[in-house]
This record gives sequence, structure tokens and C-alpha cells, in this order.
Amino acid sequence: EVQLVESGGGLVQPGGSLRLSCAASGFTFSSYEMNWVRQAPGKGLEWVSYISSSGSTIYYADSVKGRFTISRDNAKNSLYLQMNSLRAEDTAVYYCARVRGDYDILTGYYKNYFDYWGQGTLVTVSS
Amino acid sequence: DIQMTQSPSTLSASVGDRVTITCRASQSISSWLAWYQQKPGKAPKLLIYKASSLESGVPSRFSGSGSGTEFTLTISSLQPDDFATYYCQQYNSYPRWTFGQGTKVEIK
Repeated sequence: EVQLVESGGGLVQPGGSLRLSCAASGFTFSSYEMNWVRQAPGKGLEWVSYISSSGSTIYYADSVKGRFTISRDNAKNSLYLQMNSLRAEDTAVYYCARVRGDYDILTGYYKNYFDYWGQGTLVTVSS
Repeated sequence: DIQMTQSPSTLSASVGDRVTITCRASQSISSWLAWYQQKPGKAPKLLIYKASSLESGVPSRFSGSGSGTEFTLTISSLQPDDFATYYCQQYNSYPRWTFGQGTKVEIK
């Protein structure tokens, strides 16, 4: 059974830092691309960051670029999100999500969506 | 970024009703659309991918259709377990994934 378990959330002051972790089990973690997605209280879903299976390719949403760093340790089956210079608008539940791809015959590339999500960890940025 | 707009934002329905949720993209995304169900305090759950492909284990009362810029999620006969919020997501624009704002299905 695929399981993704986030941890590391909590209350932090504006300008502070936090490191989130996502422990994966039930699948070959090193073979899958992963993402972080967040959801502000009472709001919709916002993609935050992507990392390839090897960790060599990384993308960020503009809203977190330069402040957040995604990484992974395939030996430990773990995904991480280092969050620095936190702002009130970063307050949200953060989910890790596994990627599954559909092959696009027109472009020769895979189109990726999210097939499994963790239960989320709440980050509150407040003084 | 591609904007995704869902309608309605809230839908009141009864058990047994046929329910349809619409999702519109600001530009063509072919069939690269997924639908998720989210219950309060829980993670989103994948229901539909590639606009109309049913995820394994998802009841057949759920179906998706559409291509280009307009898509629908239909629940053929609403069940008590289906009261939740539903999100569409475009995955044509990689890695700029974007979601609709959500449609809450409430008990009438």
C-alpha cells in the first residue's frame, strides 16, 4: 500500500524557517517524481515545488522561489521541503504528492499529475 | 499560467441526484485534466485522469468528459460518501500545474 506521511509542521514566526519531511513507503520511491502542494485554510490547492526521481531537476512556484528548497534522499525514502523567510501567506497545510505520467504521443513527453497524496502537515506563520 | 475555473462553487443536492460540475481552462489543455475529491481534514484523492479515465478503485458512478477548454465531472447517482469538495487540475502546462478553486457538494 502506498503511504506518504508528512511531518515537521508547526507554528513559526514571520521570517523564520521550517523543514518539512515526507516519508514514503509501499512503492519504489527512487523511481518516482514528487511534489509539494499546499492549501491555505479554507482555500484551494496550490502547487509549490517539483523534484525529479534522481533529484536532478527541480521547479518552484513563483510564490516560493528563492525561499523554499526541495530535496530528497532516495536511500531514506524521504522527501523534504526547507522553508526559509516564511511569511504569513505561507500558512497552509502542506501535502507531498507522488507523480504519475500520461505519455503524450504528440510531443514525446510525459504529462504528469498526482496519484497519491499524504495526509498533510500544517504550517502556521504568525507572531 | 493557465487559469482553471470551476462552476458552481457550491452545489446542494440529495442522495440519488445526478450531479455535474464544470471546469473551464483559460486556454486549450487537450485532455490533460484530472479530478480530485477532498473531504474535510483529508488529502485529495484522484478520481479521474486524462479527462475521462477512471482511477482504479473509484466507483463507476463517477465519470469525466471534455477536451480543449471545457470539462465536466458527473456523479450519476449521488451517494452519502460523495459529499465533499471536488477540484479539477490541468497538467498540460508542465511544471505549472494549476487547480480550479473547488466545488463543494453539500447535502440539500
